Amino acid sequence: ETGVTQSPTHLIKTRGQQVTLRCSSQSGHNTVSWYQQALGQGPQFIFQYYREEENGRGNFPPRFSGLQFPNYSSELNVNALELDDSALYLCASSFDAGARETQYFGPGTRLLVL
Amino acid sequence: QQQVKQSPQSLIVQKGGISIINCAYENTAFDYFPWYQQFPGKGPALLIAIRPDVSEKKEGRFTISFNKSAKQFSLHIMDSQPGDSATYFCAASGNAGNMLTFGGGTRLMVKP
Repeated sequence: ETGVTQSPTHLIKTRGQQVTLRCSSQSGHNTVSWYQQALGQGPQFIFQYYREEENGRGNFPPRFSGLQFPNYSSELNVNALELDDSALYLCASSFDAGARETQYFGPGTRLLVL
Repeated sequence: QQQVKQSPQSLIVQKGGISIINCAYENTAFDYFPWYQQFPGKGPALLIAIRPDVSEKKEGRFTISFNKSAKQFSLHIMDSQPGDSATYFCAASGNAGNMLTFGGGTRLMVKP
């Protein structure tokens, strides 16, 4: 059984560009959540996908969008990058979206926007 | 709006000592309170979790104490070891699903 994997591990972009981050969920998990973790802060919830449908969204603008595929892997897309988007982006998968289902995190993608 | 407040931001403890990290929440709809441990370059990993109908939960050297009326919960690490040096996050989720609201984190250093 493999854990949650994310790609790429690091990424450098310039302001105004677009970026796509990828996540493969743990085997048997149908729910993927994305979080943004700024340096020295706790992760902030971006959105969640459950069985290919968006299942909740945090306080992030529409230029943050996502997708979940039939194999339950997921993408996070960020358009019109801003300097403040520089952060560690974490993906977490869970068996389902129930309130007490444990989320298992990947190692993250570190994004730097110049 | 920070719905989960965590303190202290950093903590230094001698090997063998007790590490205590505190969290307070505002949203009474929260009903699941996990603690995550994060090492540099890694994603957070679940350490221990508690439901609000339980006042204390212990797993090995780690104990969560929960005070529902005060809307506070804390993590105690007994016999702290240098390998426990990491950043610890409290979190909460509610009846809308398992989306987590995290505290700001506590950077723990255990000195040998």
